[in-house]
Amino acid sequence: EVQLVESGGGLVQPGGSLRLSCAASGFTFRSYWMTWVRQAPGKGLEWVANIKQDGSEKYYVDSVKGRFTISRDNAKNSLYLQMNSLRAEDTAVYYCARDRGRTAYDYWGQGTLVTVSS
Amino acid sequence: QSVLTQPPSVSAAPGQKVTISCSGSSSNIGNNYVSWYQQLPGTAPKLLIYENNKRPSGIPDRFSGSKSGTSATLGITGLQTGDEADYYCGTWDSSLSFWVFGGGTKLTVL
Repeated sequence: EVQLVESGGGLVQPGGSLRLSCAASGFTFRSYWMTWVRQAPGKGLEWVANIKQDGSEKYYVDSVKGRFTISRDNAKNSLYLQMNSLRAEDTAVYYCARDRGRTAYDYWGQGTLVTVSS
Repeated sequence: QSVLTQPPSVSAAPGQKVTISCSGSSSNIGNNYVSWYQQLPGTAPKLLIYENNKRPSGIPDRFSGSKSGTSATLGITGLQTGDEADYYCGTWDSSLSFWVFGGGTKLTVL
């Protein structure tokens, strides 16, 4: 059974940093692109970033470029999102999702809440 | 303002059919696969349709997808109260070099 479990969310002050993790199991992690998607309270889905199987390609939505870094550790079956210079507008539930190679996201984690507030 | 345009809400009676549209451009829907997601209240999104019209295992054939030019449509037949949810379309945008979602459509089954 495919499982994706996010962790690392919490309350952080504006300008602060946070590192999210996503533990994957039930599939060959190193064979898939992986993605982070977020959802602000009461709002729609917003794609954040994705990363190729070997980490050689990464893409980011414009609003997080230069502040967020996506990475992965295939030996640990884990995906990460390092978030720096956090802003109030980054407040959201962050989901990790398995990427079918830019065609769809077929498995999603339960999400982890990030709140940026003083 | 989302790159992909969906109606904010649709409604229909139980047993009826509803369609949800998703409009884009040549840089996204026009040249890439579209997928659709269902998000029940308080839960993570779930893949309903991928590659324009394919259903993952376990998704009933009441759900269907189609694409024509720069628009895509999700169809749901035999509506059930359990179908009340938010529905999102999504696709890769080749000009932006990132994935885009529609703004979401809230389905109400009256």
